Amino acid sequence: LAKTTQPISMDSYEGQEVNITCSHNNIATNDYITWYQQFPSQGPRFIIQGYKTKVTNEVASLFIPADRKSSTLSLPRVSLSDTAVYYCLVGGIYNQGGKLIFGQGTELSVKP
Amino acid sequence: EAQVTQNPRYLITVTGKKLTVTCSQNMNHEYMSWYRQDPGLGLRQIYYSMNVEVTDKGDVPEGYKVSRKEKRNFPLILESPSPNQTSLYFCASSWGGAGEKLFFGSGTQLSVL
Repeated sequence: LAKTTQPISMDSYEGQEVNITCSHNNIATNDYITWYQQFPSQGPRFIIQGYKTKVTNEVASLFIPADRKSSTLSLPRVSLSDTAVYYCLVGGIYNQGGKLIFGQGTELSVKP
Repeated sequence: EAQVTQNPRYLITVTGKKLTVTCSQNMNHEYMSWYRQDPGLGLRQIYYSMNVEVTDKGDVPEGYKVSRKEKRNFPLILESPSPNQTSLYFCASSWGGAGEKLFFGSGTQLSVL
């Protein structure tokens, strides 16, 4: 099972771009990389997923280098409402027989 | 509306009093799982189920039981709760597959006195 390492916390200001990097050195060939966002008192919610190169949606971008041993979640022009915990998850339900390992997550604090 | 519903939202109980936290999904997902979240420890998987009547242990299964008699329901049972099970619990479901995404419930805050 791929273990992930993320920064515990990050601070930013409104309007800045925020990049959160997740390390996953033992990622398997068919593992996907998925990021979840969790607001206080809520369950995590899916924000973006990728396998290689770059993925972009209306919320974020995900950059994955060729060796896939890390990935970077990019949040453009953050606002106060982006204050949340962000989790990187590597693998897949069927790849790992159902067992999933989340990291500690990165607590992002956006200040005015 | 597609959702994962957990009940209750908050629960205060005493040591040793059996309790059940319910989880139900309306998306016909095959995969369901339970997590606990504690400060500084992130999300840790307790149990998971790949399909009806198929359950298996996650990273922290001690003190918990689950059952999967129907596809939509996956209750978490604490036969004899202890204070170290005070935590925030989340249920999640997914259709499964290699690139699936998880849908989480709103959480159950459990306090065991």
